[in-house]
Amino acid sequence: GIQVEQSPPDLILQEGANSTLRCNFSDSVNNLQWFHQNPWGQLINLFYIPSGTKQNGRLSATTVATERYSLLYISSSQTTDSGVYFCAVAATFNAGGTSYGKLTFGQGTILTVHP
Amino acid sequence: EAQVTQNPRYLITVTGKKLTVTCSQNMNHEYMSWYRQDPGLGLRQIYYSMNVEVTDKGDVPEGYKVSRKEKRNFPLILESPSPNQTSLYFCASSHGLAGYEQYFGPGTRLTVT
Repeated sequence: GIQVEQSPPDLILQEGANSTLRCNFSDSVNNLQWFHQNPWGQLINLFYIPSGTKQNGRLSATTVATERYSLLYISSSQTTDSGVYFCAVAATFNAGGTSYGKLTFGQGTILTVHP
Repeated sequence: EAQVTQNPRYLITVTGKKLTVTCSQNMNHEYMSWYRQDPGLGLRQIYYSMNVEVTDKGDVPEGYKVSRKEKRNFPLILESPSPNQTSLYFCASSHGLAGYEQYFGPGTRLTVT
């Protein structure tokens, strides 16, 4: 099945710093989403971005589908940005019985923002 | 408000006592699925449904059952829960099978003793 790798695995920042999280994937995708998992375990949708660039406040994301990677940018980080950031993709082609709609998640980036 | 809801949010139960985790969405979505999240293993799909009365296994279906009698509801049934089913469970839904944003419920934290 499709492989998803996120980097870095851990990131520690001071409040106000900027950061870039990366997601590499091994095959063509028809869905790519970025999530933030908060300390209560909830998965918060950040972006649906199978290609192109989007921005939402201090967050923005870019996916270069032809090169099979996506980047999540966090600017002027705040303590409330702490948590785990996941990239998840759905493969375009059904291989080996994998369901089309299944999201394959990366292992996440643990972000800690200190005041 | 468009949302996916799950109940209960937290549950502690004992081995062998049947339980159901409900999932409901108000967005008229065709596609619904269940995931479990475990430390070191990430999120894995349990079952999915492409529409009413159409369900299929995901990566880790053993020990679980599902049904899709109504478009909005997709309950997850544990007929005889075991401690290895202690996990954080998420329900998700989207308009279609491929190429659509998926919306996740708030999660259900299940502990089986």
